[in-house]
Amino acid sequence: GAGVSQSPSNKVTEKGKDVELRCDPISGHTALYWYRQSLGQGLEFLIYFQGNSAPDKSGLPSDRFSAERTGGSVSTLTIQRTQQEDSAVYLCASSSRGDGRYYTQYFGPGTRLTVL
Amino acid sequence: SQQGEEDPQALSIQEGENATMNCSYKTSINNLQWYRQNSGRGLVHLILIRSNEREKHSGRLRVTLDTSKKSSSLLITASRAADTASYFCALANAGGTSYGKLTFGQGTILTVHP
Repeated sequence: GAGVSQSPSNKVTEKGKDVELRCDPISGHTALYWYRQSLGQGLEFLIYFQGNSAPDKSGLPSDRFSAERTGGSVSTLTIQRTQQEDSAVYLCASSSRGDGRYYTQYFGPGTRLTVL
Repeated sequence: SQQGEEDPQALSIQEGENATMNCSYKTSINNLQWYRQNSGRGLVHLILIRSNEREKHSGRLRVTLDTSKKSSSLLITASRAADTASYFCALANAGGTSYGKLTFGQGTILTVHP
């Protein structure tokens, strides 16, 4: 079946502009995650949605970052007033509850954001 | 920090050799997972080991977990050039409400020479 998809695959923007990144999770997956990966770095957790529960926003680096998940499916990560340090690959993942609390996350190909 | 620390940062071997990567962490975990990443884009899940397990196998992969030492290792046997990638360990916290949230290590860059 279809995997996690993300769009756009690449985004170049100017400092100060707003950007929206989209994630389409695997159908039926109740959990959705956003991570970002800066050049040569590991993955940094941003936000986690699980069903109808309040999202875990503990990883969002500033109030310029926000995310929503509509209808329990598609998610949009919005970065307002982008800064050069926001340049990174933004990765989305989804998972299903499966065996109790043990999750395997399936990742999309990512969106490479470059802020000039 | 719950972040896993991986060792070595980079590993270069010849095809056919075994590759071992290690991950250490500081707090209690629910499970530990290993992921692979090619060319800095999407990650692929390799294997998950639960906190009450000590060893798991999947094809040429062998993962061990020692919760007393708070460490895990990933062994790739009979490596191939196609195994060249970055490998990350990811920790799922024990307790709390965000069971699915993962904390990733910095990764090990594996290069397998033909």
